[in-house]
Amino acid sequence: DAGVTQSPTHLIKTRGQHVTLRCSPISGHKSVSWYQQVLGQGPQFIFQYYEKEERGRGNFPDRFSARQFPNYSSELNVNALLLGDSALYLCASSLVGSSYEQYFGPGTRLTVT
Amino acid sequence: GESVGLHLPTLSVQEGDNSIINCAYSNSASDYFIWYKQESGKGPQFIIDIRSNMDKRQGQRVTVLLNKTVKHLSLQIAATQPGDSAVYFCAENSNTGKLIFGQGTTLQVKP
Repeated sequence: DAGVTQSPTHLIKTRGQHVTLRCSPISGHKSVSWYQQVLGQGPQFIFQYYEKEERGRGNFPDRFSARQFPNYSSELNVNALLLGDSALYLCASSLVGSSYEQYFGPGTRLTVT
Repeated sequence: GESVGLHLPTLSVQEGDNSIINCAYSNSASDYFIWYKQESGKGPQFIIDIRSNMDKRQGQRVTVLLNKTVKHLSLQIAATQPGDSAVYFCAENSNTGKLIFGQGTTLQVKP
């Protein structure tokens, strides 16, 4: 079985632009979480979605939004990009929303210039 | 606020030696702890986990110890190999679906 997949792998955007990142969870997993990892730091929680509903939100501005689709895949959207948004964006899937075990994808490397 | 921290940013060991990576946490409500390994350019890889009702858990070449009295977590890697070179993160979860990660420890294995 495939693990968590994310697209694109790398992305370069300009300040003020919008970006959409995509994630497909492990087959059978119904919950997706998004994390931002700045170089040299641990991942920071952004959102969790379970059964298409937002179950948790981290300390990120409203420029960040996400959604989950009926097939449990998910999109992370970031508007009005800032230089500080440059990071590795990680998606993690778990069986249900309260599952402790989360399995991560390879991430999308976003560079904002 | 909640935080998970690591004592040492970099650990250098000789191939074949045992490695010990330490972690401190501050949220006494956390009841589940995980160690992840992250290689360059990849996402975090689950290594081993432990629940708060346990003190020790062993996997293949890895052991996690939990000391709730001093809020301390450690990862022991036996017979460290070059393939173990990576950044190691501890993370905590209190059944909220939100993992709180520490900054990470870089493990360097010298041949």
